[in-house]
Amino acid sequence: GESVGLHLPTLSVQEGDNSIINCAYSNSASDYFIWYKQESGKGPQFIIDIRSNMDKRQGQRVTVLLNKTVKHLSLQIAATQPGDSAVYFCAEITDSGGGADGLTFGKGTHLIIQP
Amino acid sequence: IAGITQAPTSQILAAGRRMTLRCTQDMRHNAMYWYRQDLGLGLRLIHYSNTAGTTGKGEVPDGYSVSRANTDDFPLTLASAVPSQTSVYFCASSEWPATNEKLFFGSGTQLSVL
Repeated sequence: GESVGLHLPTLSVQEGDNSIINCAYSNSASDYFIWYKQESGKGPQFIIDIRSNMDKRQGQRVTVLLNKTVKHLSLQIAATQPGDSAVYFCAEITDSGGGADGLTFGKGTHLIIQP
Repeated sequence: IAGITQAPTSQILAAGRRMTLRCTQDMRHNAMYWYRQDLGLGLRLIHYSNTAGTTGKGEVPDGYSVSRANTDDFPLTLASAVPSQTSVYFCASSEWPATNEKLFFGSGTQLSVL
C-alpha cells in the first residue's frame, strides 16, 4: 500500500497567510524526505529536503518539520503568494545514498490561494 | 539551461500502435527515470537507469520498455498501446550515486490512447 500519504487533498488559504501542508509516512526506516511543487502543466520542482537526523530545515519562505516519533512531515510556507498555488508532494526514501528508484511519492495536496 | 527535454508535449494514439516518448538531459546526470502521473494515484515509477547501459524496473513496468545507450537519452517505448496507458509521463534525472535523491523533472508528455 501507499506508505506516504497526505492528510488533506486540498488546502485553501488567504493570500499573505501562512500555509501548512502535512504528510504522514509509515516506514520508520525512511531516512530522507523531499517536498516537491507542481504547477499546472509542469513537472514537479524540488522545494526542500530533510534527513532523518534533523527536525527542522529552513529555506526561502519555506520550512520543513520532521517528527519521527509520530512519523509526520510538514511543509510551512510563509506569507503565501498567488505563485504558491500548486500541488505539493512529499516523498520519502529509505537507505538514501543510492538512486532515486526507491523514492515513494505521496498523492499530493492542492494548495489554493484566495485573494 | 535546458535541463530535461521531453517530446512530444502531447500525443493522441490509437490502441495497438507503437509509441516512443523521448527524453534528453544536458546535466550529465547518471540516473534517469520515467514516471507516470494519474489522478488519485500520484507519481509511479515505470523504469529507471542508474548509468548508461543499465536499466531497472519500477513499480509499474508492464507494457513499457526503455533503453539507455548513452548518458543523455532515455526513451520510453510502448510496444502496443492500450487505453490504460493514457496518462501524463514525466522523465526525470538525478546524480548517482549521490548524497541526495533530488530529481529534476521534465515538463511531461500527455498521452491519450483511444
